[in-house]
Amino acid sequence: AQSVTQPDIHITVSEGASLELRCNYSYGATPYLFWYVQSPGQGLQLLLKYFSGDTLVQGIKGFEAEFKRSQSSFNLRKPSVHWSDAAEYFCAVGGFLLISNFGNEKLTFGTGTRLTIIP
Amino acid sequence: NAGVTQTPKFQVLKTGQSMTLQCAQDMNHEYMSWYRQDPGMGLRLIHYSVGAGITDQGEVPNGYNVSRSTTEDFPLRLLSAAPSQTSVYFCASSYRGGSTDTQYFGPGTRLTVL
Repeated sequence: AQSVTQPDIHITVSEGASLELRCNYSYGATPYLFWYVQSPGQGLQLLLKYFSGDTLVQGIKGFEAEFKRSQSSFNLRKPSVHWSDAAEYFCAVGGFLLISNFGNEKLTFGTGTRLTIIP
Repeated sequence: NAGVTQTPKFQVLKTGQSMTLQCAQDMNHEYMSWYRQDPGMGLRLIHYSVGAGITDQGEVPNGYNVSRSTTEDFPLRLLSAAPSQTSVYFCASSYRGGSTDTQYFGPGTRLTVL
């Protein structure tokens, strides 16, 4: 079964500092990997996704993530955080494993990392 | 485009009551799904639909019913609410499959069952 681990429940960084949020996955085939962000009281919004090709993917709001197959990781990075980046971040894994009557419907989310920015 | 809309935003129920959470999307997406979000557990898939008239169970379907009579709407019904169903519920839609395509989420419904 696929799974996603986000080992950091809560991270605090200073505004302007760099950020790395960790994500490790378990999946028996080529994964589809996603990072979503949830601002307080809002739904989730896609930051970036990886399907194939270049292992360094760029997303919105200045975020990037690097897929490392050997480490089963897909860590999210940002060189300089802004106060508006305070939110909860979710990593998710999906793909074409047959798990239901209709096929590839299983998107698995991690438990999330809450990011706090201090001035 | 309004995207994915959900109503109500907040709801308080008593144990045993029933209700329907509404979800609609105006992007002509075939795939729609319902998730619940609980502290420390991320998002868990309740039910999903790959098109009008076709639904299937996700990870945590017990106590919930769905139907999909139109492409736009995907209501979630709680038949007899229980305190364990206190959660934040998100509806999502995507153009193709749920596990390989970008999901568009609604703003959520916060449900409390007393």
